Amino acid sequence: AQTVTQSQPEMSVQEAETVTLSCTYDTSESNYYLFWYKQPPSRQMILVIRQEAYKQQNATENRFSVNFQKAAKSFSLKISDSQLGDTAMYFCAFLYAGNMLTFGGGTRLMVKP
Amino acid sequence: DTGVSQDPRHKITKRGQNVTFRCDPISEHNRLYWYRQTLGQGPEFLTYFQNEAQLEKSRLLSDRFSAERPKGSFSTLEIQRTEQGDSAMYLCASSLAGSGSNYGYTFGSGTRLTVV
Repeated sequence: AQTVTQSQPEMSVQEAETVTLSCTYDTSESNYYLFWYKQPPSRQMILVIRQEAYKQQNATENRFSVNFQKAAKSFSLKISDSQLGDTAMYFCAFLYAGNMLTFGGGTRLMVKP
Repeated sequence: DTGVSQDPRHKITKRGQNVTFRCDPISEHNRLYWYRQTLGQGPEFLTYFQNEAQLEKSRLLSDRFSAERPKGSFSTLEIQRTEQGDSAMYLCASSLAGSGSNYGYTFGSGTRLTVV
């Protein structure tokens, strides 16, 4: 079974600064997908960024980028130029073909003005 | 298409009562998933459907839980004889089948259940 671990329960960052959220996972598979989801307070979970394990290039979506280290089974999310609207729970998730999305425990991010 | 819709948004029920939640997925998505999320935790998989067939159920889904997707469109999740431990957010998500699911799921806003 796959497991996803987010070791930072809470983090805070000043507006306009950069923050990195950590995620590690455990799997014996070689071809899989990794995701970061954002869940604002009392709002639905939305997809932030997606990484395909067979692609060495790190995914980037505007201010969001990942550092994917396949050998280390590490998948961190970097948020640049943090904005107040980035305040949310962030979940790292793993997907192996034919199985379900498996989530980590989440990191609560607070962006301070 | 307005995304994944869940109803109700909030439900407060007395212990021992039955509750039913509804999920309407994105219309072209043939996979539908139910997850449970307790406060401060990540979502945990409960069950999923491909069209009308229920293909997998988690061990978390006790006998008091039942889910249906009768015509391959909307789905219902029923909890019988609710217990305080059932208090949680119940999330519904949908995706395309096969390689389409590799692009991630689209989630609804969830139904927050409080058992008193």
